[in-house]
Amino acid sequence: AQSVTQLGSHVSVSEGALVLLRCNYSSSVPPYLFWYVQYPNQGLQLLLKYTSAATLVKGINGFEAEFKKSETSFHLTKPSAHMSDAAEYFCAVSPIYSSASKIIFGSGTRLSIRP
Amino acid sequence: DGGITQSPKYLFRKEGQNVTLSCEQNLNHDAMYWYRQDPGQGLRLIYYSQIVNDFQKGDIAEGYSVSREKKESFPLTVTSAQKNPTAFYLCASTPSNRDREDQPQHFGDGTRLSIL
Repeated sequence: AQSVTQLGSHVSVSEGALVLLRCNYSSSVPPYLFWYVQYPNQGLQLLLKYTSAATLVKGINGFEAEFKKSETSFHLTKPSAHMSDAAEYFCAVSPIYSSASKIIFGSGTRLSIRP
Repeated sequence: DGGITQSPKYLFRKEGQNVTLSCEQNLNHDAMYWYRQDPGQGLRLIYYSQIVNDFQKGDIAEGYSVSREKKESFPLTVTSAQKNPTAFYLCASTPSNRDREDQPQHFGDGTRLSIL
């Protein structure tokens, strides 16, 4: 069965520091992968998605993620954290040859930014 | 602006009461979804609908019911059979009723349901 694991339920970085949020998936065939951001009491907003066109995917707000098949990972990074990046981030996997209703969300990583 | 509107933002339920959460979209999307979000957990699928007058159960449908009488509306009823309804409920949509797996979902801002 497909699954997605986000390492670290809470990550704290200083403003201006590198942001690294980890996501690993389990699948025999590389799936479609997504990163979403959720601000308090709001819905999820798509940051970026991987659909096999390129392994390095650039998203909104300066975020990017690299798909590494050998490591079954899709970690999210941003070179320099900003206070406005404080939010919860969800990695999601959608099995290939399935359907949008089969998307599986990770448990989320809460990102805090220290001044 | 197109989007998904969920109402109310906060809702309180008494024991033995059914409550209905509203979800309306003006994106002209075919497919709509209801998720439940609990602290420290990912989203879990309750119900989804790919087309008007048709819907399917998700992973945690027990204690919930839905209808899809109009393309733009997908209300969720939390029945008294749902013993632990306190959660954040999110409605989402995707453009195509072909239910393609590469389509990202568009989300509303959620309804927080609590028990009185």
